[in-house]
Amino acid sequence: DGGITQSPKYLFRKEGQNVTLSCEQNLNHDAMYWYRQDPGQGLRLIYYSQIVNDFQKGDIAEGYSVSREKKESFPLTVTSAQKNPTAFYLCASSIYPGTGFQETQYFGPGTRLLVL
Amino acid sequence: GQNIDQPTEMTATEGAIVQINCTYQTSGFNGLFWYQQHAGEAPTFLSYNVLDGLEEKGRFSSFLSRSKGYSYLLLKELQMKDSASYLCAVMNTGFQKLVFGTGTRLLVSP
Repeated sequence: DGGITQSPKYLFRKEGQNVTLSCEQNLNHDAMYWYRQDPGQGLRLIYYSQIVNDFQKGDIAEGYSVSREKKESFPLTVTSAQKNPTAFYLCASSIYPGTGFQETQYFGPGTRLLVL
Repeated sequence: GQNIDQPTEMTATEGAIVQINCTYQTSGFNGLFWYQQHAGEAPTFLSYNVLDGLEEKGRFSSFLSRSKGYSYLLLKELQMKDSASYLCAVMNTGFQKLVFGTGTRLLVSP
């Protein structure tokens, strides 16, 4: 059963702490993405990766880091430099390259990060 | 710049028809997507339009006018389970980056 998994569902961060959010997909998709969702705002792109060992900053990359060592995995680290990390974090993947429709992004269930 | 506008909230009655509008201004265009998102859950793909016209898929239809920078999502025979947020997203040319609107929260009442 193909899909995208994210863990944990809820994550608590203490001041000055780095935390890592997991994202795994078994859809054989090349491209993966991390978004942040805040109330009243659209999804905002943090980082994206088109192929293994390569990734690019999105619109709000400051305070975040990623790695893409395997096609299936794209973990996101929220560092202590991110001053307002409380949000709903969504991971997505898509076929790349392809036609516009083929590049439909499919989302994981999300991780809600809360600051203690 | 890039800008996508949708109404913040809409209400409708079970069994009715509702139209959710989306206007956009982007630097490049390679298609428009509609997603449904229930509270606390992931967005799920509903439709994709790249050419002008109407795409119908069961109770849901999506329309695009590229010259007007305008799309709408039409939901027919509304059900209570259709209460959700509906996200309009435009794909830019170049690397296929999605730009999302803030979403329209639809509340369906009995």
